[in-house]
This record gives sequence, structure tokens and C-alpha cells, in this order.
Amino acid sequence: AQSVTQPDIHITVSEGASLELRCNYSYGATPYLFWYVQSPGQGLQLLLKYFSGDTLVQGIKGFEAEFKRSQSSFNLRKPSVHWSDAAEYFCAVGARPGGTSYGKLTFGQGTILTVHP
Amino acid sequence: KAGVTQTPRYLIKTRGQQVTLSCSPISGHRSVSWYQQTPGQGLQFLFEYFSETQRNKGNFPGRFSGRQFSNSRSEMNVSTLELGDSALYLCASSFNSGNTEAFFGQGTRLTVV
Repeated sequence: AQSVTQPDIHITVSEGASLELRCNYSYGATPYLFWYVQSPGQGLQLLLKYFSGDTLVQGIKGFEAEFKRSQSSFNLRKPSVHWSDAAEYFCAVGARPGGTSYGKLTFGQGTILTVHP
Repeated sequence: KAGVTQTPRYLIKTRGQQVTLSCSPISGHRSVSWYQQTPGQGLQFLFEYFSETQRNKGNFPGRFSGRQFSNSRSEMNVSTLELGDSALYLCASSFNSGNTEAFFGQGTRLTVV
């Protein structure tokens, strides 16, 4: 069964500092990989996705993520955090066509990001 | 292009009642998935519908059901509500079945009292 681990429940950074949110997954092959962001009381917004190809993917709002097959990781990074980035971030995996869980996203538990001025 | 629309945004129901939540996907999208979000269990997959057919189902009791109409709009129903069903229910739409890119609505906050 596929699973996702986000080791950090809560991260606090200062505005302007760099950010890295960790994500590790368990899946038989290379899954589809996603990062979503959720503001309080809101739905999920897709930041970026990885399907294949270049292992460094660029997303919206200045975010990027790097897929590392050997480490089963898909960490999210941003070089300079803005106060508006404060939110909860979710890593998710999805099965590729033919997988038994095709059509389902499995999410990590989320990382809450607090940004200090 | 309008996003994913979920109605209602908030609901308060009593234990034992049933509830129906609605989701209108992005125009042209044919896949709708439903997720339950709670503080304890996080985001959990309920089911996915594509072209009016349930393609995949999560590990939830039979009290949770859904359907999709020919215009791709979807409804989910929860019967015999329990306190533990209190959650944010999120709907996501995709152009095709299988997670190529899912767009989420703002959710329906269900409170069971």
C-alpha cells in the first residue's frame, strides 16, 4: 500500500529565510507526486507535481521540489519565504495507470508553516 | 473558468440523520473524487467517479455513498450520521480519471451534534 510521511508537523521560519519541507513516500514504483497548500478553512491548492522527466520541478509562488528516487523523497523548497506562505502543506502520491490505487491520492499528515516577521 | 464548487459550505446535523453534499467540477472535467479531512485522521480518500461510474473506493463504511450525474456533477451521501463524521469534506475534479492534476473545492464543513 502506498503511504506518505511528512516528518515535521510544525515548522517556524523567519520571513526571508529559506524553507525546506520534507516528504518521504512508500510505493512499489515511481508514483505521481504532488504538493498542495491549504489555508485555514479553505480547500487545497496544487503547488506543483511530478510525473516523469526532470527531477527538479518548479511550481507556483516560487516553490520547487526535487524527486530523489534513491531516497523515496520529494522535498519542497523555497529560497525566501513570505509571510503569506504561512499555511499547511501536504505532500501526496498517486498511483500510475494500472496501479490498484489508481484514481486515489494518498496524503501525508501535513506540515504547518508559521512565518515570523 | 469557474473552479470546483461545493455546496453547502457549512452544515450542522444531528446524530442519526442523513446528509447530501454536492460538488460541481470544473467545466470539462469528468472525474470527481471525494476526501474526508479530520484533525485526527488527516485527508482520507472516499471515492472517485468518472463518467458516472465509481472507479475506486476508500476504506469507509457503507453509510458513505456517492453518485455522479451525466453533467459530471457529483453528490455524496452519508446516512445515519455519527459524531465521528464531523469533518471537512473536499471534492476534487480532474479532466480524466487518475491523478494527473486534481483541483479541489473549498469543502463542506459538516458538524454532527
